[in-house]
Amino acid sequence: DGGITQSPKYLFRKEGQNVTLSCEQNLNHDAMYWYRQDPGQGLRLIYYSQIVNDFQKGDIAEGYSVSREKKESFPLTVTSAQKNPTAFYLCASSSPSGRRDEQFFGPGTRLTVL
Amino acid sequence: GEDVEQSLFLSVREGDSSVINCTYTDSSSTYLYWYKQEPGAGLQLLTYIFSNMDMKQDQRLTVLLNKKDKHLSLRIADTQTGDSAIYFCAESKNTGFQKLVFGTGTRLLVSP
Repeated sequence: DGGITQSPKYLFRKEGQNVTLSCEQNLNHDAMYWYRQDPGQGLRLIYYSQIVNDFQKGDIAEGYSVSREKKESFPLTVTSAQKNPTAFYLCASSSPSGRRDEQFFGPGTRLTVL
Repeated sequence: GEDVEQSLFLSVREGDSSVINCTYTDSSSTYLYWYKQEPGAGLQLLTYIFSNMDMKQDQRLTVLLNKKDKHLSLRIADTQTGDSAIYFCAESKNTGFQKLVFGTGTRLLVSP
């Protein structure tokens, strides 16, 4: 089955530690995205990548880093510089399909800082 | 600004119709989307509408678009308890890539 997987589903981190969230897709999509979701707020874009070996900052990139070494993978690292990292993180991918780019979402990772 | 606005909460009885409203900001948005999020899960695309349309129907779902007022609505007919979820509208912005700007989400609660 084609889709997007994120792991782990739940992640706990101590303050001051970096942590990496995994995102893998087998949809052969060129573009991948990371969003952050907080209660009562919409999704906010952290980073996006339109092609392998290239990525751009989104609206709230501070305290986060990414890499895009393979088309299928777009891991997100939450660094100790992120002041309020507890949130639900969603990965998405898309591929131009003529008239619209539908984004497909993974199941999410809930990060809690202890 | 970039805010896409939705009311936070809607409660209906099973079998009634639900109408979820959204006000977006960019009159040049090409597509407008409705996504559904069930508890603890990712987002699932429900439907979309192209900006040159004013209505789209897909089984129990009807999307209405008023471009003049930048107002989008999603009507769910014969609402079921399985429709309980958070619904997000999103507008696409052409910023060199397909950027989606999401609303805050409307939590729909369907009671038996």
